[in-house]
Amino acid sequence: DAGITQSPRHKVTETGTPVTLRCHQTENHRYMYWYRQDPGHGLRLIHYSYGVKDTDKGEVSDGYSVSRSKTEDFLLTLESATSSQTSVYFCAISEWLAGGRNIQYFGAGTRLSVL
Amino acid sequence: AQTVTQSQPEMSVQEAETVTLSCTYDTSESDYYLFWYKQPPSRQMILVIRQEAYKQQNATENRFSVNFQKAAKSFSLKISDSQLGDAAMYFCAYRDSGGGADGLTFGKGTHLIIQP
Repeated sequence: DAGITQSPRHKVTETGTPVTLRCHQTENHRYMYWYRQDPGHGLRLIHYSYGVKDTDKGEVSDGYSVSRSKTEDFLLTLESATSSQTSVYFCAISEWLAGGRNIQYFGAGTRLSVL
Repeated sequence: AQTVTQSQPEMSVQEAETVTLSCTYDTSESDYYLFWYKQPPSRQMILVIRQEAYKQQNATENRFSVNFQKAAKSFSLKISDSQLGDAAMYFCAYRDSGGGADGLTFGKGTHLIIQP
């Protein structure tokens, strides 16, 4: 699992409340990602980070912000949750192997329900 | 932008038989990576197999192999001797080969059912 821990694993919240999801990794990987998974859409990239305090937007970034103050932690924040943000959220890291090979490993996911 | 298309929402196969899952993609890049991920009911995303576009040889991992057709932009997954544990969602994914932080572009997935 490449040392990736997501918390919480499940969360139910109300519309309009702020929510923060945490991704923690123990292997000093530089690149980290947040995806969301919805029925009929596969996984879509929300935001990614290429180092401490270095982040950028992905395909579906509206309504989300991220922060990375330490190498090991990548936080995803919904400033004011909406029902359309009900989804399963996955954190991932990108590992570069010998020969320039790249692989992404995923956390176990967080199921978020916005009522 | 790159796109990945999986045209089979669901596939069914008898245990011990062979099944092929289809994936096509669109890109203007000449070098890139392609992946198949498996997602069982536990929801964990598990890497099954990967292919570098510059390699002509098709990747294999035990009972899993791919048929990579670069000109046709096709990347199918063949599962031989299907087992009950192979039942899962399978996602095809694409990534540019740049050394940066590019994320993966996923298809919508194929639900694989194994009939005992």
